[in-house]
Amino acid sequence: EIVLTQSPGTLSLSPGERATLSCRASQSVSSSYLAWYQQKPGQAPRLLIYGASSRATGIPDRFSGSGSGTDFTLTISRLEPEDFAVYYCQQSGSSPGGTFGQGTKVEIK
Amino acid sequence: QLQLQESGPGLVKPSETLSLTCSVSGGSISSSTYYWGWIRQPPGKGLEWIGSIYYSGSTYYKSSLKSRVTISVDTSKNQFSLKLSSVTAADTAVYYCARSPFSVTIFGVVTRYFDYWGQGTLVTVSS
Repeated sequence: EIVLTQSPGTLSLSPGERATLSCRASQSVSSSYLAWYQQKPGQAPRLLIYGASSRATGIPDRFSGSGSGTDFTLTISRLEPEDFAVYYCQQSGSSPGGTFGQGTKVEIK
Repeated sequence: QLQLQESGPGLVKPSETLSLTCSVSGGSISSSTYYWGWIRQPPGKGLEWIGSIYYSGSTYYKSSLKSRVTISVDTSKNQFSLKLSSVTAADTAVYYCARSPFSVTIFGVVTRYFDYWGQGTLVTVSS
């Protein structure tokens, strides 16, 4: 099973700042099968990015994804108040459903 | 707009079977483009895929749960269901149903990502 490790565990930033979240895989993952989700307290996860870099419908362009192989990044160019949440990466290239990272919490500094 | 809604008991006794249903509205569960899955999240923890089903009944399960999980589909009701047997406190979680596009690769079917989710339902395992 491919293990995804997200870092940092918590990111403390101010609105307007840039957020860079990392997702590292224990073995190579096809970019086609790497996704990012945002989850706010009491809500279901929301798909942000699929195929490592494609924004889902309705996702603002301040969210961008990049990476390949074992290293992937989610960048939020300028944090808005509604962006403070937990972010998960997910891979599914080698098995149905795949695995999720443990999450990165973006909190207000 | 596609909507998914989980339903089922919020409290299950240890060793019994957890049963949940996901009702799909605003779209057909018989679409050839998607698998339909269950994901869970223990309180304060991360996400875990449990299994997925195609409208034809083809299923895939997480290997560590395979012996206890059954997912079924009822296309006439536009629903799919989860049964998890012999539950313990470790199965306490919010259970989500979700839709996923899929691809057929050299590894077989892979569900690419989950684009629509239900709001989730908390199931507590306790006597």
